[in-house]
Amino acid sequence: AQSVTQLGSHVSVSEGALVLLRCNYSSSVPPYLFWYVQYPNQGLQLLLKYTSAATLVKGINGFEAEFKKSETSFHLTKPSAHMRDAAEYFCAVTQSTGANSKLTFGKGITLSVRP
Amino acid sequence: DVKVTQSSRYLVKRTGEKVFLECVQDMDHENMFWYRQDPGLGLRLIYFSYDVKMKEKGDIPEGYSVSREKKERFSLILESASTNQTSMYLCASSSLIGQETVVWPRGGYTFGSGTRLTVV
Repeated sequence: AQSVTQLGSHVSVSEGALVLLRCNYSSSVPPYLFWYVQYPNQGLQLLLKYTSAATLVKGINGFEAEFKKSETSFHLTKPSAHMRDAAEYFCAVTQSTGANSKLTFGKGITLSVRP
Repeated sequence: DVKVTQSSRYLVKRTGEKVFLECVQDMDHENMFWYRQDPGLGLRLIYFSYDVKMKEKGDIPEGYSVSREKKERFSLILESASTNQTSMYLCASSSLIGQETVVWPRGGYTFGSGTRLTVV
């Protein structure tokens, strides 16, 4: 079975501050991990993904995430928050690479950015 | 630009009605998915399909059915809508991960913009 835990439902940071959104996973086999962002009234957009290549993954809009097997974590970071980063962020995991692969999502974290 | 298109952005239906939510993708993806999104619960998988005429139950299939007669189209059906099915519904598609190119950001799951369904 696969699962994802995103602790807390809301994170608030000041513009220019570090963004850290936590994600821990559970998987019986090496996982594929993803971060998605959802801006208000829009669908989900892929930020970045880990697919067993480099453990530090760089995504769009200055975000990156590091896969740490020993901690079963895939935390999302950005050095300097911008107002446009305010959105909901979802971590997701899949175990399989076959035809019936499916994503399991965390409950999401809402990021607010203060001026 | 490749995309997943959901036919309706907003829908209001009455309790007991049969409701069809349509999703079309133009990426020749094998896999298609229906999720519902509710505050505090994240995205939960309803059904998915990895080939034409194939379907698999997700985590919350009760009260729903699906149809995939063509590769590009995946329909979600609420046989008799109920108020607890009021939600945001998201369709997604994906290619086989093992066959993806490593050209980022291609690959992974592509989502539609969602259909916000209200059952009254």
